[in-house]
Amino acid sequence: DSGVTQTPKHLITATGQRVTLRCSPRSGDLSVYWYQQSLDQGLQFLIQYYNGEERAKGNILERFSAQQFPDLHSELNLSSLELGDSALYFCASGGAPNTEAFFGQGTRLTVV
Amino acid sequence: QKEVEQDPGPLSVPEGAIVSLNCTYSNSAFQYFMWYRQYSRKGPELLMYTYSSGNKEDGRFTAQVDKSSKYISLFIRDSQPSDSATYLCAMSGLNDYKLSFGAGTTVTVRA
Repeated sequence: DSGVTQTPKHLITATGQRVTLRCSPRSGDLSVYWYQQSLDQGLQFLIQYYNGEERAKGNILERFSAQQFPDLHSELNLSSLELGDSALYFCASGGAPNTEAFFGQGTRLTVV
Repeated sequence: QKEVEQDPGPLSVPEGAIVSLNCTYSNSAFQYFMWYRQYSRKGPELLMYTYSSGNKEDGRFTAQVDKSSKYISLFIRDSQPSDSATYLCAMSGLNDYKLSFGAGTTVTVRA
């Protein structure tokens, strides 16, 4: 158990809908990273927050947004969902930048 | 060209063999290097974390970093069927706020 908690574990929704994925980092970790993993692709970096502030953005679609709250948990919002958004979404947490990042068990999103 | 290149394999070895995995990278600013193990679409599990060049050993695992060649390796000694998984390399630079991952190498250890 990495100490990173993601909810829900599974999510099935229809195209055009909006979902929110939640991540609780390890106790004491200030950084939260979001990654997407599709069947035909590796881990794609989406976005990173450090102590409530966005610090890095990867190939995150405009339909996706995220935030980190004062209690350091983070939410990833996916809207106007398309079939191609079906993937595993992982959250990872860490301390200062460049320290180890620990991953949660992911949310498996299926868009039908 | 991808920033981090990793041969996806698959790699199949008999139990007890040494598994050798590697990644190459193009960004000379990378200084922090990690290896993760991922079982069947579960969350990646951190195996090794190293800074700059050199070797690090932890049990059956040895990580090597050669910054001059932009090449990192992971060796698994006395491999077990439970080591069958996908292994991902990851790295970041001094001022990076993200990890850059390789595509992952799928390893099967045959009993």
